[in-house]
Amino acid sequence: GAVVSQHPSWVICKSGTSVKIECRSLDFQATTMFWYRQFPKQSLMLMATSNEGSKATYEQGVEKDKFLINHASLTLSTLTVTSAHPEDSSFYICSARGTNSNQPQHFGDGTRLSIL
Amino acid sequence: QKEVEQNSGPLSVPEGAIASLNCTYSDRGSQSFFWYRQYSGKSPELIMFIYSNGDKEDGRFTAQLNKASQYVSLLIRDSQPSDSATYLCAVNEVNTDKLIFGTGTRLQVFP
Repeated sequence: GAVVSQHPSWVICKSGTSVKIECRSLDFQATTMFWYRQFPKQSLMLMATSNEGSKATYEQGVEKDKFLINHASLTLSTLTVTSAHPEDSSFYICSARGTNSNQPQHFGDGTRLSIL
Repeated sequence: QKEVEQNSGPLSVPEGAIASLNCTYSDRGSQSFFWYRQYSGKSPELIMFIYSNGDKEDGRFTAQLNKASQYVSLLIRDSQPSDSATYLCAVNEVNTDKLIFGTGTRLQVFP
């Protein structure tokens, strides 16, 4: 149980392109989803928290107009990196959790984004 | 600043030995504690979670929690080379939805 699917696994695109990443909870209802990014050999960095049907809450320093998050249903959240540039290249990972804030977060497989 | 601290390692143990991974946290009000395993280039995978003081066992893994000392640990018995990974300790941040992650301990199990 508690499977989170994230697509795509890899994206390589030109600078200026917008990229959408999907995160789906396959066997549970994800009241809350989280988006992280991770640079090589560094720790996870939380970008934003989203609750179904509400606007995402962004961490300090994360541009909300750059990283658009939509959590329209209890099983799907999307992250769109708008007008991506090389400095946005990173490993983006989503996680999902049920209703209770004490429950574990379950992670998707991550999306490796490379902007040329 | 709420913190979760782990020794970065690497912790090197021989195959078959017990690996002991430790974590301390700063927020005394935290109630939920998680251990994730992250292989290089992959996303984190949940290994164990614990809410109450004491030990919790699942197969070769045992999580230990001591809230008075603000200390949580993970024991891996009969360590295997496939256990070689970075182990992340995570603690819930009180009054938010967030987890606070440690920087992880890299475990190396050699044959």
